Amino acid sequence: QSALTQPASVSGSPGQSITISCTGTSSDVGGYNYVSWYQQHPGKAPKLMIYEVSNRPSGVSNRFSGSKSGNTASLTISGLQAEDEADYYCSSYTSSSTPCVFGTGTKVTVL
Amino acid sequence: EVQLVESGGGLVQPGGSLRLSCAASGFTFSSYEMNWVRQAPGKGLEWVSYISSSGSTIYYADSVKGRFTISRDNAKNSLYLQMNSLRAEDTAVYYCARRVLPDYWGQGTLVTVSS
Repeated sequence: QSALTQPASVSGSPGQSITISCTGTSSDVGGYNYVSWYQQHPGKAPKLMIYEVSNRPSGVSNRFSGSKSGNTASLTISGLQAEDEADYYCSSYTSSSTPCVFGTGTKVTVL
Repeated sequence: EVQLVESGGGLVQPGGSLRLSCAASGFTFSSYEMNWVRQAPGKGLEWVSYISSSGSTIYYADSVKGRFTISRDNAKNSLYLQMNSLRAEDTAVYYCARRVLPDYWGQGTLVTVSS
């Protein structure tokens, strides 16, 4: 099972909006409405930001939103803040021999 | 409050073995599937293994199949990962995580395979 494809890096200025893509296949992202997004600060465990494509867990800022079109899922961060600088990973159910696959990860830099 | 606390990491020589444990609290452990996910230094997240709530269904990544064994003890609210024939490329922080697409993660335990 190959990792889902994410851009290596995305950057934006404070207050701007950025979007991170997560591209898979019809066997994973395209086949299920089960895509999650995680934020990871250096030296910390990942934190769930979005589940089931577009749902936010309690306590996650509404500046974070998720969507999906075909085999590509997206995470949008609006009103970018310094604290949003982190690595972001997507994950998806798969129909392969493994139940879960992660994305390659995207480093978000706040300029 | 959901808590997952890993232990058992450390330095081990290539070919050696290590057993990781994950103590769960704050939820009904026996009702949830669990995973191990690892992250090599400076690298991304890699799913390692999955176990269903009852332990009857288990999956492994190809990279660890035949060397690692996942198990759980629902009476002790604990998840385990027995790692044998360890290689340098198994060096990573190992996280236990709740659900197939994790909603909660432990803080991780570092496994270093080196001579």
